[in-house]
Amino acid sequence: EIVLTQSPATLSLSPGERATLSCGASQSVSSSNLAWYQQKPGLAPRLLIYDASSRATGIPDRFSGSGSGTDFTLTISRLEPEDFAVYYCQQYGSSPRTFGQGTKVEIK
Amino acid sequence: EVQLSESGGGLVQPGGSLRLSCAASGFTFSSYAMSWVRQAPGEGLECVSAITGSGTSYYADSVKGRFTISRDNSKNTLYLQMNSLRAEDTAAYYCAKHAVTGRSHFDYWGQGTLVTVSS
Repeated sequence: EIVLTQSPATLSLSPGERATLSCGASQSVSSSNLAWYQQKPGLAPRLLIYDASSRATGIPDRFSGSGSGTDFTLTISRLEPEDFAVYYCQQYGSSPRTFGQGTKVEIK
Repeated sequence: EVQLSESGGGLVQPGGSLRLSCAASGFTFSSYAMSWVRQAPGEGLECVSAITGSGTSYYADSVKGRFTISRDNSKNTLYLQMNSLRAEDTAAYYCAKHAVTGRSHFDYWGQGTLVTVSS
């Protein structure tokens, strides 16, 4: 099973700042099969990025994904008030699909 | 518009059973694999079970032998039969649609249904 480790656990930033979230895999993720999801309290996760760098339908271009192999990054170029949430990475290149433990982006 | 709506959650005693349902609309249900993903209170996400459009299933080790995933393509509905429930099964359970065949992320999620296992 591929273990995903997200860092930092919590990111305290102000609106307008840049957020950089990391996701490290215990083994190489096949074909960059890595996704990022956003989750707000009481709601279901929402797909942001798939295949490491492809934005999902309707996702603003301030969200971008990069990386390959074992190191992946989600960048939010300028934080909007609605972006403060928990973010999860997920690998789906190997069974079982696994998630990271999440990074909480909170208002500083 | 793709919609997924879970139901069937509730309070159940340890050792009890529960059947979750996920009603799907807005896409050709039989063409897509589906998954159940759970989230314990204050915790992260765990893929519990998955099923292809033709019925091939997968289970996490934590639920193997206790949970059964199934689907009725004529009713556009996904199910999760949960037996021998334990306290550690307490979680919000989400159904999620796979985006593509094979190795796939989840492009749509339901709103979730809460399962509480407690005496």
